[in-house]
Amino acid sequence: DSGVTQTPKHLITATGQRVTLRCSPRSGDLSVYWYQQSLDQGLQFLIQYYNGEERAKGNILERFSAQQFPDLHSELNLSSLELGDSALYFCASSVVTASYNEQFFGPGTRLTVL
Amino acid sequence: GNSVTQMEGPVTLSEEAFLTINCTYTATGYPSLFWYVQYPGEGLQLLLKATKADDKGSNKGFEATYRKETTSFHLEKGSVQVSDSAVYFCALSDHNTDKLIFGTGTRLQVFP
Repeated sequence: DSGVTQTPKHLITATGQRVTLRCSPRSGDLSVYWYQQSLDQGLQFLIQYYNGEERAKGNILERFSAQQFPDLHSELNLSSLELGDSALYFCASSVVTASYNEQFFGPGTRLTVL
Repeated sequence: GNSVTQMEGPVTLSEEAFLTINCTYTATGYPSLFWYVQYPGEGLQLLLKATKADDKGSNKGFEATYRKETTSFHLEKGSVQVSDSAVYFCALSDHNTDKLIFGTGTRLQVFP
């Protein structure tokens, strides 16, 4: 158990809908990262927050947004969903932002768009 | 830009065989390097890491050495077990953004 929790574990929805994925980092970790794992794209970095502020953006679509709240939990919002958004979405956390710090991954949310 | 290239799988081995999974990287500067493992139905777990050239990361019998001259970080284990069956990801950490850049993953299947 990494100490990072993600809810829900599974999500099935229809095209055009909007969903919210939630992540609680390990106690004391200030950085939260979101990754998408799909069969065709592999593991892709989406976005990083550090202590409530956006720090880095990766291949995140404009239909997707995220935020980190004062209690440090984070939410990833996916809207106008398409079939191609079906993937496993991972959240990871680390203590600070230095690159040698280990990122601890949650179990993921499997999103299926029908 | 930065990138990681891993050998394609699946790698199929008998128990107690020697394992090598190749990983090479392209990066500006001196990134940190990682191996993560993903067991079926689970998230990623850090297996080992190395933060500078010539560092050797090791854990659970797995080893990898940060080779700057060949830009490689190959994963090795002397004697694999059935329980090592999983997908292994090589990754580097971008110093500017802290994001992890992953290879495509290599599936290892170990048979008794």
